[in-house]
Amino acid sequence: EAGVAQSPRYKIIEKRQSVAFWCNPISGHATLYWYQQILGQGPKLLIQFQNNGVVDDSQLPKDRFSAERLKGVDSTLKIQPAKLEDSAVYLCASSLQGQNRAEAFFGQGTRLTVV
Amino acid sequence: AQSVTQLDSHVSVSEGTPVLLRCNYSSSYSPSLFWYVQHPNKGLQLLLKYTSAATLVKGINGFEAEFKKSETSFHLTKPSAHMSDAAEYFCVVSFYNQGGKLIFGQGTELSVKP
Repeated sequence: EAGVAQSPRYKIIEKRQSVAFWCNPISGHATLYWYQQILGQGPKLLIQFQNNGVVDDSQLPKDRFSAERLKGVDSTLKIQPAKLEDSAVYLCASSLQGQNRAEAFFGQGTRLTVV
Repeated sequence: AQSVTQLDSHVSVSEGTPVLLRCNYSSSYSPSLFWYVQHPNKGLQLLLKYTSAATLVKGINGFEAEFKKSETSFHLTKPSAHMSDAAEYFCVVSFYNQGGKLIFGQGTELSVKP
């Protein structure tokens, strides 16, 4: 079974530039998460999708971050414009819908450096 | 409010000695609980999960965790540490009534000395 795929693995941009990350979840997984992990901290949920609908985006900085999940499969996370404090690893994860107490499977992450 | 607290930011043990990583949660609902491990420059890997069946849960690589409702704890243990266990460990709580939202603790860095 293929895992969660993310790209790119690394990205360096200047502040005020824009950047996009891509995620392909495990086939059949209806729930998709984007997490932000700042160095030395635990991952923080940015947004959670169930199929192509948003379940939770309460911690997504909507003035600069946006995310979409086309056709309930792949997802993209965009930052525009980027700030220095956005430097972090962005993790995508997926899990089965409806399966009680299902664990999430994580991708390798995208390490973003804003200079 | 639901939350999870890892009581130690860093734990150091000698190879062959027991490991204890502590986790407490706060919830008004019955949670699912997980432990994930993150090796440097690697993705998060599930070690074990509690799903309201047996309170003592066995995971991969010899790790175990015990769910204690009265203490709202889910501590991770291993009888004998190996050098390869050195990594960051995250306690995670999930609430099915909130669509499976995962809340991570701050992490515990485990160091293993030879």
